Amino acid sequence: GNSVTQMEGPVTLSEEAFLTINCTYTATGYPSLFWYVQYPGEGLQLLLKATKADDKGSNKGFEATYRKETTSFHLEKGSVQVSDSAVYFCALISSGSARQLTFGSGTQLTVLP
Amino acid sequence: ETGVTQTPRHLVMGMTNKKSLKCEQHLGHNAMYWYKQSAKKPLELMFVYSLEERVENNSVPSRFSPECPNSSHLFLHLHTLQPEDSALYLCASSQVTINTDTQYFGPGTRLTVL
Repeated sequence: GNSVTQMEGPVTLSEEAFLTINCTYTATGYPSLFWYVQYPGEGLQLLLKATKADDKGSNKGFEATYRKETTSFHLEKGSVQVSDSAVYFCALISSGSARQLTFGSGTQLTVLP
Repeated sequence: ETGVTQTPRHLVMGMTNKKSLKCEQHLGHNAMYWYKQSAKKPLELMFVYSLEERVENNSVPSRFSPECPNSSHLFLHLHTLQPEDSALYLCASSQVTINTDTQYFGPGTRLTVL
């Protein structure tokens, strides 16, 4: 079956530091890959996505590249802000009539001023 | 974001109560989903209504009962719940196509079972 593994948290960084959150996956076929973000007390918001190998998703300064050879989709941001503090979820979806998202366990990011 | 709305946002209920969670999507999508988010556990897909086909996770107890009267509305009926059912219940919708689809989430209902 499908699975997503992301780095254990929590991650604590100072403002303007470089962020990497690792994500690797196991899936059949050619899944689409996603990063979602959850701010305190809220639901999940789509941050970025990539639908095929070598695609780069980007949004709000965050980037992730779909690497089929390493089955990875690491999230990066060059300079984090306090407002980026949230939980980040890596996820994939595989083909089929009932397209079920498989999530990683989430990584808590705290950015200190 | 008002594409997917959920009501109520917070719910406290006793184990003998019956209540319903409501989700509405304003995105013209053809699939809707219920997820359960518990502390320290991965997000769990509970139910899917996709292209008028209902798919369920066989591990979901029968005290949870979904209803999807049309493509814009989704309900989760709750009865005789247990304290371990306390969690954040998230609704999502997507437009299912051959190539891919992206799920958009509502803000969630925080459920506490006493």
